[in-house]
Amino acid sequence: DVKVTQSSRYLVKRTGEKVFLECVQDMDHENMFWYRQDPGLGLRLIYFSYDVKMKEKGDIPEGYSVSREKKERFSLILESASTNQTSMYLCASSTWRQGMEETQYFGPGTRLLVL
Amino acid sequence: SQKIEQNSEALNIQEGKTATLTCNYTNYSPAYLQWYRQDPGRGPVFLLLIRENEKEKRKERLKVTFDTTLKQSLFHITASQPADSATYLCALDGNTGKLIFGQGTTLQVKP
Repeated sequence: DVKVTQSSRYLVKRTGEKVFLECVQDMDHENMFWYRQDPGLGLRLIYFSYDVKMKEKGDIPEGYSVSREKKERFSLILESASTNQTSMYLCASSTWRQGMEETQYFGPGTRLLVL
Repeated sequence: SQKIEQNSEALNIQEGKTATLTCNYTNYSPAYLQWYRQDPGRGPVFLLLIRENEKEKRKERLKVTFDTTLKQSLFHITASQPADSATYLCALDGNTGKLIFGQGTTLQVKP
C-alpha cells in the first residue's frame, strides 16, 4: 500500500514564524502536491512537483514556497506565517504519465493554527 | 473557466436506502473522473475512477455513472450504512498531472 506521511498532525505557530511542513511518500511516485482545505472552499492546490528539484505553482501559491531535494520528500514552507494561513494542509503523491490515469494518495493532513 | 459543482448541502438518508451524490462540471472535457471519500480530520481516499468512454462503473455497493453530454457524474451507494457517513469528493483530470477537485458533499446515514 502507498503510504504518505506528514510530519505533524497538529501544529500551533505564531504570526511571523517560519513554518515547515514535511511530507514523505514511500512509493517512488514522481508527482507530489500540497493542498490546503478550508470549509466551503474545498481542496485548493498550492504547489506541485513533477520531479526532484522541480516545482510548479498551483492556484494559491502566495505566501508559500516548496522544496523537493529528494524524490520521496516534499516540503511546504510558510515564510512568515499569518493568521489567514490557518488551515488543514494535505500532501498527496501520484505517478502519472501522459495518457495514463492518475490517482492521488493523500497523507493524513496537518491542521495548522496560526495565532 | 473550469468549474466543478457538488451539492454543498449535506445529504441525510436512512440506513438501507440508496444515496445518490451529484458532480457537475462546466467548460471542460475530462478524460476521466474520480470519486474520493474523506473522513473528518483525514485525507481523501480514492474510491473509483470512470473513463469518458465508460457509462457506468461498479465496486461492491458503489456505482458511478458518467454522462459526458450532460457533463455530470452520479455516485450511488446502495444499502447505505452509518459507516458510509463521510464527505465525498469528485475530481476531474486536468490532463497535466493535476486533478481538479469539487468541494465535496457530506453524507450522513442515520441508523
